[in-house]
Amino acid sequence: EPEVTQTPSHQVTQMGQEVILRCVPISNHLYFYWYRQILGQKVEFLVSFYNNEISEKSEIFDDQFSVERPDGSNFTLKIRSTKLEDSAMYFCASSHGTSGATGELFFGEGSRLTVL
Amino acid sequence: AQSVTQLGSHVSVSEGALVLLRCNYSSSVPPYLFWYVQYPNQGLQLLLKYTTGATLVKGINGFEAEFKKSETSFHLTKPSAHMSDAAEYFCAVSDDSGYALNFGKGTSLLVTP
Repeated sequence: EPEVTQTPSHQVTQMGQEVILRCVPISNHLYFYWYRQILGQKVEFLVSFYNNEISEKSEIFDDQFSVERPDGSNFTLKIRSTKLEDSAMYFCASSHGTSGATGELFFGEGSRLTVL
Repeated sequence: AQSVTQLGSHVSVSEGALVLLRCNYSSSVPPYLFWYVQYPNQGLQLLLKYTTGATLVKGINGFEAEFKKSETSFHLTKPSAHMSDAAEYFCAVSDDSGYALNFGKGTSLLVTP
C-alpha cells in the first residue's frame, strides 16, 4: 500500500542551526502539507503546497520556514535558524484532492525535531 | 475560522464497553468534519469523514460518528472497545480555504482488560 515516508525519524540540533526535513509523498498525489505537533498540544497546520507553489500557510510558517519540491518526488521543509520552540513532531501529508474536498490526507510517521 | 473542541483529553473504557469521544465544532459554513487516529509511533490515519449527505457516517474498525447540526457536534462512537483501539484520536474540521485541517487537541483512549 502506498505510503508517505519521512526522514529523519528523529533529529537533534543546536539552536540556530538549519534543519531540513524530508518527505516522499504518495506518487500520484498533487497536494502536499506540513503539520507539526508540539508535545502535549494539538496538531497544527503549517503549509500546503500545490503546483509547485505554496497554496496556504499559517501564522506559524514565518520567514524561517520554507518548503521545496526539488525533484518531483521529495517534498522538504527547511527551518533556517532553529529555535527552542521549534522542537516538535513534524508531519508531512499528501492528498489527491484538497482537504476541503476529501479530507483524506495521508500522513507520514513524523520527524521528531529536538532543538537544544 | 473553523475550529473543533474535544472534550476530555483522556478517556478510559473497559474492553467490550461503549466508546464515546466527544467533538464539538464551530463553523460559519457547512463544515467538513473528520476523525483521525494516531497509534503509537505512527502517523495520523483517517477514521471517517462527513462532507454532505447522510449524517451518520461509518468508518474503519467499527467506528462511526453522527453529525448533529443542532448540537454542533460530531461525536465518535464504537459499540464495543477492543484493546487495539488504544490510541490518540483527533477531531478535525476543514478550514475556509479547503487546504488546511484544523485539529482538536486530541483524546487519548485507554482500554483496560
